[in-house]
Amino acid sequence: GAGVSQSPSNKVTEKGKDVELRCDPISGHTALYWYRQSLGQGLEFLIYFQGNSAPDKSGLPSDRFSAERTGGSVSTLTIQRTQQEDSAVYLCASSLSEKLFFGSGTQLSVL
Amino acid sequence: QKEVEQDPGPLSVPEGAIVSLNCTYSNSAFQYFMWYRQYSRKGPELLMYTYSSGNKEDGRFTAQVDKSSKYISLFIRDSQPSDSATYLCAILETSGSRLTFGEGTQLTVNP
Repeated sequence: GAGVSQSPSNKVTEKGKDVELRCDPISGHTALYWYRQSLGQGLEFLIYFQGNSAPDKSGLPSDRFSAERTGGSVSTLTIQRTQQEDSAVYLCASSLSEKLFFGSGTQLSVL
Repeated sequence: QKEVEQDPGPLSVPEGAIVSLNCTYSNSAFQYFMWYRQYSRKGPELLMYTYSSGNKEDGRFTAQVDKSSKYISLFIRDSQPSDSATYLCAILETSGSRLTFGEGTQLTVNP
């Protein structure tokens, strides 16, 4: 497709379970970002991948959060032992420059 | 203090009104200034982008940057109900790898 694709669009899980969120960036975009958006909050930076460089993980809120990007394309954000405060919309974006293009996000609900 | 401050609103205006949305920032290293529009249940989409002080116009939208005051604005002329969305300012450092977002202002344009 032409845009950033995220799956699933919605995920409901129980507290303590692990979840994986997927992002397919725009073809050819070298940079990939994960942000989190909670109700009433702005976008919170989580992690940034640029080409083959080491990712900038400085925004990950705890060691329960991890992300990888395979082959410089698809990325997976993993949250282990989910907590209720992890409930949010997780947004992925890709770019070639300063302009980011976002997917529609994954709405994560932890019960 | 947040690096980027934005009044979350909500802001409600009649159709045809001029809308003014504003953000302030604290980091002088910020060099790229953007406005994103986010419709409900969608990811943010880039609306305006500038890196210099002054005005940039695109149709009914004008982005204004005042680096001396660390103040950025987005003006919407002849507002339409289709402009109803959340508007997020976003700022990037020259050497940075991440966009820092404001909280977003929720705008409703009433027919």
